[in-house]
Amino acid sequence: QKEVEQNSGPLSVPEGAIASLNCTYSDRGSQSFFWYRQYSGKSPELIMSIYSNGDKEDGRFTAQLNKASQYVSLLIRDSQPSDSATYLCAVIPSRGGSQGNLIFGKGTKLSVKP
Amino acid sequence: GAGVSQSPSNKVTEKGKDVELRCDPISGHTALYWYRQSLGQGLEFLIYFQGNSAPDKSGLPSDRFSAERTGGSVSTLTIQRTQQEDSAVYLCASSLAGGRVYNEQFFGPGTRLTVL
Repeated sequence: QKEVEQNSGPLSVPEGAIASLNCTYSDRGSQSFFWYRQYSGKSPELIMSIYSNGDKEDGRFTAQLNKASQYVSLLIRDSQPSDSATYLCAVIPSRGGSQGNLIFGKGTKLSVKP
Repeated sequence: GAGVSQSPSNKVTEKGKDVELRCDPISGHTALYWYRQSLGQGLEFLIYFQGNSAPDKSGLPSDRFSAERTGGSVSTLTIQRTQQEDSAVYLCASSLAGGRVYNEQFFGPGTRLTVL
């Protein structure tokens, strides 16, 4: 079982719609979850972090965490063409590895059509 | 303030040569991570430095890879006797304090390494 799984997409949504990106993880003890946005040819940019069950909102972005279901999602409201990018879900494992290295999913490619 | 910086931005080398990649973390960040991103493997962890402690090298793929961090700040990743499978983007990230919780990591622009 892969540690962090995401649908590779591409996910295509019309401008102004809500984009919903999903991620599941295998380490039940993980406590830290992140969403990064990566434009083509660029490095990952941190857009959201979430540590507690429930929703966390920041502007047009909402991260949702459900530890019982081992599921984290990212909602992008009023999607814009500039949101077109690959979105990476990342988790810090509760054991093994180093003290805090990120485990990444393969990413979901989002395309927002004007 | 300034973000994480990396140099060079691009490096082309011949198989068998050694290369050095540099990372300058955000000022005040004690934790520094190296990752690499390749098409087939996605983003994978390589090595972690926390302050002046011995590095965690658990992600290094072979003994051709090594890294050091001088004065708890700038880090250099060295790849000896490069192979074509080393071609990837090497990314450096830093965070305030490391650890398994509340550890927001910020990435530099990366170094694209091409081994011919």
